[in-house]
Amino acid sequence: DAKTTQPPSMDCAEGRAANLPCNHSTISGNEYVYWYRQIHSQGPQYIIHGLKNNETNEMASLIITEDRKSSTLILPHATLRDTAVYYCIVRADYKLSFGAGTTVTVRA
Amino acid sequence: GAGVSQSPSNKVTEKGKDVELRCDPISGHTALYWYRQSLGQGLEFLIYFQGNSAPDKSGLPSDRFSAERTGGSVSTLTIQRTQQEDSAVYLCASSLGALAGTSEPQYFGPGTRLLVL
Repeated sequence: DAKTTQPPSMDCAEGRAANLPCNHSTISGNEYVYWYRQIHSQGPQYIIHGLKNNETNEMASLIITEDRKSSTLILPHATLRDTAVYYCIVRADYKLSFGAGTTVTVRA
Repeated sequence: GAGVSQSPSNKVTEKGKDVELRCDPISGHTALYWYRQSLGQGLEFLIYFQGNSAPDKSGLPSDRFSAERTGGSVSTLTIQRTQQEDSAVYLCASSLGALAGTSEPQYFGPGTRLLVL
């Protein structure tokens, strides 16, 4: 699977949009981009995934650049409960692996 | 709807004892996965079940680890003769399927926190 690079941490104000970047410059054509998050002491939570088109669901939006070498997860209105570690994963098979992720802290 | 459930949520055992961890996947999900997450470590794949196919056991760290899935639903992960290095959070996930070319996301349970003294 392609390697991803994420900033180690970021802060976000409650009620504002949180934009989480991810670089995956070695992504191959059949690899999807997935986002998960893990709130302290809980299991990972699936957020969203996409191949090349932008995607939106009730939790977030995923913007993938045209060359697919990077993506951005957007939490439109961050709440305190969105404080978590966010993982960007690029994979083509079923074995998930998480890197260090981005620790997002939402502040009131 | 009901998500993936795991039991027990916490397990403390003594070195050398056997433990069984249970996973109930989301109803209708044919694929089931076990992972391990150690303190400060990433996610480690252990085993994968897909329908009636032979499981992929390539991630099991030793022959002390085994898993089964009965009736295509509930799965049990067994660790024999536990060691202190087995202490970790054991996570189960399920998905609609994992055939090549599909993109079905995996949904995780809350995990079982295992502590081997």
